[in-house]
Amino acid sequence: AQSVTQLGSHVSVSEGALVLLRCNYSSSVPPYLFWYVQYPNQGLQLLLKYTSAATLVKGINGFEAEFKKSETSFHLTKPSAHMSDAAEYFCAVSEKGGSEKLVFGKGTKLTVNP
Amino acid sequence: DAGVIQSPRHEVTEMGQEVTLRCKPISGHNSLFWYRQTMMRGLELLIYFNNNVPIDDSGMPEDRFSAKMPNASFSTLKIQPSEPRDSAVYFCASRGDRVEYFGPGTRLLVL
Repeated sequence: AQSVTQLGSHVSVSEGALVLLRCNYSSSVPPYLFWYVQYPNQGLQLLLKYTSAATLVKGINGFEAEFKKSETSFHLTKPSAHMSDAAEYFCAVSEKGGSEKLVFGKGTKLTVNP
Repeated sequence: DAGVIQSPRHEVTEMGQEVTLRCKPISGHNSLFWYRQTMMRGLELLIYFNNNVPIDDSGMPEDRFSAKMPNASFSTLKIQPSEPRDSAVYFCASRGDRVEYFGPGTRLLVL
């Protein structure tokens, strides 16, 4: 069965600092991996996805994530945080050829301090 | 495309009343998902449909909840009777190219 673990339910950074949100997954087959962002009072919006092409995936708003099979990780990074990045971020996994359900992590709330 | 459309955006009702949430998926998407989000339980998948057929309803909390998808462009989630513990944000999502696109959600408050 698939699962996703997001380390840290809350992460706080200063404006301009590196953003690193951690995600580890468990999957018995090669996975598809996703990062979604949720701004207050809105639905989830896709940031980026990994579907077995390049292991370094670039998304919207300057975010990127690297798929590391050996570490079963898909951490999200952004070199320089902006105030507008404050939101909740969800990592999700689905299995190629398996159930079409996405399994979501519990989310990480990012705070950006001025 | 307008994206996934949900109505109503907000609903306040009294315990025991019937609540119907509506969703219009993105045209051409064959899969539709209903989620519930609360502070305590996070994001939970309630049910999903492929080609209008319910595939997995294991997340539906109890018999008070039911969902239908009579055609490719419309789905409903019904709660009857509603209870205060059903208060949550309910999201509908449709899938295209392995990506789920979420609607803005319906914020439900049951008094």
